[in-house]
Amino acid sequence: GENVEQHPSTLSVQEGDSAVIKCTYSDSASNYFPWYKQELGKRPQLIIDIRSNVGEKKDQRIAVTLNKTAKHFSLHITETQPEDSAVYFCAASKGGTSYGKLTFGQGTILTVHP
Amino acid sequence: DSGVTQTPKHLITATGQRVTLRCSPRSGDLSVYWYQQSLDQGLQFLIQYYNGEERAKGNILERFSAQQFPDLHSELNLSSLELGDSALYFCASSHGQGAYEQYFGPGTRLTVT
Repeated sequence: GENVEQHPSTLSVQEGDSAVIKCTYSDSASNYFPWYKQELGKRPQLIIDIRSNVGEKKDQRIAVTLNKTAKHFSLHITETQPEDSAVYFCAASKGGTSYGKLTFGQGTILTVHP
Repeated sequence: DSGVTQTPKHLITATGQRVTLRCSPRSGDLSVYWYQQSLDQGLQFLIQYYNGEERAKGNILERFSAQQFPDLHSELNLSSLELGDSALYFCASSHGQGAYEQYFGPGTRLTVT
């Protein structure tokens, strides 16, 4: 089955710096890659996603890039703010008979210091 | 607020017992997904229903079962509970059958003592 590896497990940055979180996936048939942000005790919140027919997608301070050949995708957060502090999860899905199954990475704890 | 609702918020029960978790999807969403989140296993997909029918199955134990009703709400039944079943259980919903744009509910925290 699909396996998603996420790095780093923790990331500490100063306010205003950029943060990058990387994920690799194993199944070349995967075609949908969302990112979720989860604050302590709260639900995972979809922040951005990308489909395999696109190499990059941007939404204000966050962007996601996808390299299908290398089977990896990354989340980029620019001008970080303390409220960006949370756990970030990447995920992958391949559709087909897997339908809506999302396979998640292990998560990255992002801490933004004021 | 994602529009997905889950009840109860917290559940404390003893080993060997059975519990039912309930989820109502966002208005217009036909798919419901169940996920388990624990410290050692992370976020794990359990099962998906689309318009009342099972669509995909993940690492769901035989002691666990789910269903989706005609009004599209879903229930996850956990039986013969073990200490290791203690976790956060999330429900998510989306409009179609695929994985696109899944929105999570607030979760049910299950503690088995």
